[in-house]
Amino acid sequence: DTEVTQTPKHLVMGMTNKKSLKCEQHMGHRAMYWYKQKAKKPPELMFVYSYEKLSINESVPSRFSPECPNSSLLNLHLHALQPEDSALYLCASSFPARYTEAFFGQGTRLTVV
Amino acid sequence: DAKTTQPPSMDCAEGRAANLPCNHSTISGNEYVYWYRQIHSQGPQYIIHGLKNNETNEMASLIITEDRKSSTLILPHATLRDTAVYYCIVRVQPDNYGQNFVFGPGTRLSVLP
Repeated sequence: DTEVTQTPKHLVMGMTNKKSLKCEQHMGHRAMYWYKQKAKKPPELMFVYSYEKLSINESVPSRFSPECPNSSLLNLHLHALQPEDSALYLCASSFPARYTEAFFGQGTRLTVV
Repeated sequence: DAKTTQPPSMDCAEGRAANLPCNHSTISGNEYVYWYRQIHSQGPQYIIHGLKNNETNEMASLIITEDRKSSTLILPHATLRDTAVYYCIVRVQPDNYGQNFVFGPGTRLSVLP
C-alpha cells in the first residue's frame, strides 16, 4: 500500500465554521507533512511532524491547527478561516532520516465563503 | 536547501524524448536531487531521485553532471499524459526531524500531438 488518503476531497466552509481535514497512511512512515497550494503556484510547506511531534511550523497562522494523534494519522483543524485560505491542501508522508521519496495524497480542495 | 532554477515552460512532441533541465549550482555534497510532477489538480507524483550517479527507473532517467551543478530529467517517449508541471527539488541530508520537500516554480511541460 503506497497510498496517502485525504478526506474530504472537497470542502466548502463559512468563515465562522470549524472543520477538520484528515490524512491517513499505512506505509510505516513517521514523517508527515501539510502543504497549501494556491492556483498556478507550487505547494508551500506548512507543517512537518516527525515521530508524532511537530518539528516544523512555517509561521502558519493559528487558525490552522495540526494534530498527529498516531503514526498513521494527521489532521488539520480549521477555524475562523478567511476567503484567501481557499486552496488545495496536500498531505504527504515519508521515512525520516532516509533518502527516500515522500508520497502525496490527492489533496482536499477547500473553499472558504 | 540549495536553490533550483528551471525554465517556466517547455513543449515536446508526442513520442519524442522530453528533456527537462534543472540548475542547482549551489548544491552541497550531501544533497540529493528529486523530481516530482503534478498533473492538473492532483497531488505531486514522485518520479526519481539521485545523488551523483545517473539513475533510471520505469518512468524516467536522471542525468546529473559530474560537478552536480545541474541535472536533466528525461522522459524517453513522451505521451499526452505526461503533460504536467515538473518540479526539481534539492534536499539536505535527512534527519530525525523530518525533511523539507521545498518546491520551486517548476516547468510546465506540454506534450503536443
